[in-house]
Amino acid sequence: ETGVTQTPRHLVMGMTNKKSLKCEQHLGHNAMYWYKQSAKKPLELMFVYNFKEQTENNSVPSRFSPECPNSSHLFLHLHTLQPEDSALYLCASSQDTAARAEREQYFGPGTRLTVT
Amino acid sequence: GQSLEQPSEVTAVEGAIVQINCTYQTSGFYGLSWYQQHDGGAPTFLSYNALDGLEETGRFSSFLSRSDSYGYLLLQELQMKDSASYFCAVNTDKLIFGTGTRLQVFP
Repeated sequence: ETGVTQTPRHLVMGMTNKKSLKCEQHLGHNAMYWYKQSAKKPLELMFVYNFKEQTENNSVPSRFSPECPNSSHLFLHLHTLQPEDSALYLCASSQDTAARAEREQYFGPGTRLTVT
Repeated sequence: GQSLEQPSEVTAVEGAIVQINCTYQTSGFYGLSWYQQHDGGAPTFLSYNALDGLEETGRFSSFLSRSDSYGYLLLQELQMKDSASYFCAVNTDKLIFGTGTRLQVFP
């Protein structure tokens, strides 16, 4: 257990569905992240939140919409996804995003998403 | 552009020593991190090098040469449970990950 939980662990959705991924961290961290992990590709940073404010959107399509109501919770709202969006979506947290302090991120177990 | 290169796969036997190399080209650099990820699991932090040299943590050591834009992870006394993927990641203003090296340890 890393102190970061994600639900659901597995999700199958059609291209017209709307669903949300949830992440919660119990570490008292101030920064939270969404990553996409596809086979044989590097972990791709999607979004960064620091003290509930979005500080990074890594050119992510608008069909992915993040929400951070507080420093402990992070959501990823999904709408009209494409089959190529099928991947493992990982949430992570760290103390903050100051570069020198960003050295250690704690990851959740991920949500395995399949878009049919 | 920003890129990290590491071997895609490494195999070794129990008790052996294995070195996983990582070369990088990034704009901005604060340090090099290593993460381990077992199949179906979350990446977990292993080590961080901000300065040149070797950092040792039990059976695992990590090395950095900033002038060569190069680092490696050294795993000693390999155990079956070390079979996993290992990612190097450069700390710039964010973490940039490599594609990962899959390590398979055989009995």
